[in-house]
Order: sequence, then C-alpha cells, then structure tokens
Amino acid sequence: KAGVTQTPRYLIKTRGQQVTLSCSPISGHRSVSWYQQTPGQGLQFLFEYFSETQRNKGNFPGRFSGRQFSNSRSEMNVSTLELGDSALYLCASSSSTGPTDTQYFGPGTRLTVL
Amino acid sequence: SQQGEEDPQALSIQEGENATMNCSYKTSINNLQWYRQNSGRGLVHLILIRSNEREKHSGRLRVTLDTSKKSSSLLITASRAADTASYFCARTGGYQKVTFGIGTKLQVIP
Repeated sequence: KAGVTQTPRYLIKTRGQQVTLSCSPISGHRSVSWYQQTPGQGLQFLFEYFSETQRNKGNFPGRFSGRQFSNSRSEMNVSTLELGDSALYLCASSSSTGPTDTQYFGPGTRLTVL
Repeated sequence: SQQGEEDPQALSIQEGENATMNCSYKTSINNLQWYRQNSGRGLVHLILIRSNEREKHSGRLRVTLDTSKKSSSLLITASRAADTASYFCARTGGYQKVTFGIGTKLQVIP
C-alpha cells in the first residue's frame, strides 16, 4: 500500500496570506488527523476527521480549518497567516476505528511565514 | 498544555549502550504508543501497548506501562547510530483523543 502523502512538501508565504495543505491517507483509512509541530511546543493536535466529519478539534483559533472528502483525502486551511504559524504540519491516517489505533504519518509540509 | 511529558528531553549515549526514555501522563488512557521521528520528517510507529498490558517487546525495543504510576518507559537495547532520532509517546484516551508529549531527543554517538 502507498503511504500517506502530503502536498506540497514546502511552502513559503507572507503574513496575511492564506494556505491550503493536502493529505492523502492510506487506502482504506477513514480517519485523518492533523498536527502542528514547532520546536517550542512539540506536536499539537489540530483536528481529526472521520468519514467527512470533524470528530475532534484541538485548541487552535478559527483561522485553522479543515475538511475531508468522500475519498478520505483531507485538506487544512490556514487563513490570515501569522509568523507563529511557521511549522511542520503533519497529517496522519489510521484505520476505521480512529487515531487511538496506530497512526501512519506523512512526511509533513514545512510552512514558512515571512 | 501537554498532558504528560517525556523525560529526559535529551539523551546522548555511546553506540552499544542502552537508552531509556520515560513518559508520564495525567489522565486515564486506553493505550499508549511510541513513535520515532528522524530529523524534520514524519513519525514512524514503534509500539502500541494497551492499558491492560504491562510490557511489550519488539526487536531491540521494550516498552513497559505502569498505570498505577501513570508512566511508561521505552528501552532501546544495544543502540546504534541509526537510532538517533526524537522519540514521542502518544497517550490515547476516550473519544479518539490522542495527546503527544514534547519528545526525547536521542543522540547515539558512533
């Protein structure tokens, strides 16, 4: 099976812009979770989608949003970018049960906000 | 805030030595998982241990879980330079909630 893919791998944006990141889960996985990783805060949970529904949400402002399509592919969007949004954004997919089972991570999207 | 921590935050050992990392948590869990991350890349799953298990092995890895102390440890035996990475524990609780710690950065010196 192909692994989790994320596009793009690298992004450079300026403050105030918006960005959309994409994640394709492993075939058959219905749960997709998103994480933000920064050196100071570690891995922080953004949200989890299961069968096109947001099932859990972390403590991030409304500028961070996501969605999941019927083929389980997911996108996350960050509007009005701030310098502090610079981070590695990781997507993970897991089985039909959800993220409490083994999660398979993509390589991440490195976002730099200037 | 993070619900639990890995300890130590950084560890440097010589190749061939054992490395032990600890993970503490505050709320009850369904299971606990350990992941490895090589520099700037995605995480790779290592071991899952359920709340009713006390110990699990996988190759050179041994994970223990003490639910009374709300702690887990990951032991890597006979470490290799390729084990250099960051190691994270992920506590999984109810409602599909998963919480990662800040990680332990392991350096294995050849």
